[in-house]
Amino acid sequence: DAKTTQPTSMDCAEGRAANLPCNHSTISGNEYVYWYRQIHSQGPQYIIHGLKNNETNEMASLIITEDRKSSTLILPHATLRDTAVYYCIVRVRMDSSYKLIFGSGTRLLVRP
Amino acid sequence: DAMVIQNPRYQVTQFGKPVTLSCSQTLNHNVMYWYQQKSSQAPKLLFHYYDKDFNNEADTPDNFQSRRPNTSFCFLDIRSPGLGDAAMYLCASRTGLNTEAFFGQGTRLTVV
Repeated sequence: DAKTTQPTSMDCAEGRAANLPCNHSTISGNEYVYWYRQIHSQGPQYIIHGLKNNETNEMASLIITEDRKSSTLILPHATLRDTAVYYCIVRVRMDSSYKLIFGSGTRLLVRP
Repeated sequence: DAMVIQNPRYQVTQFGKPVTLSCSQTLNHNVMYWYQQKSSQAPKLLFHYYDKDFNNEADTPDNFQSRRPNTSFCFLDIRSPGLGDAAMYLCASRTGLNTEAFFGQGTRLTVV
């Protein structure tokens, strides 16, 4: 199974961009990268996912390197409510299905 | 509206007494996942269903079983809970090849 490596914690100032890195050097060609976040005591919330092209939605942008060995989640204007644990996940293909294997996560603290 | 519903939100069970956690989804998703999340750790996949096909993770203890009687419902049975099984249990569902998984709010299990 592909594994992901993330910094244990990061912080950024409110209103600034938060850039969260993830290494997934063993990712296979057909495995997607997903990002979720989890606010204390709640279920994980989907943010964004991608295969090899950069992606953007209303929440964030996902930048994937050309070799696909790493990616960066960008929250363009972080707010206090973005304080959470952010998980970089590789979707692993199985015979007839897919499973989501969580990395250890980055605890993001957004400072006022 | 909640799409993946887990009941109950909090469950207290006695050491060794069988307990069942419930998950339902109104999305007609064909894949359902069960994760275990211990304090300050990332969610760990226990098993998942692709339709009726059951996929058990290699390191999931035999003490954990699952049932999926129909598309909407999935149950996690812990046959003889130990103190080490105290955790948040997360259910998720998804469908299709390139979609996100939706998580429930989790059931926090306490073993006394």
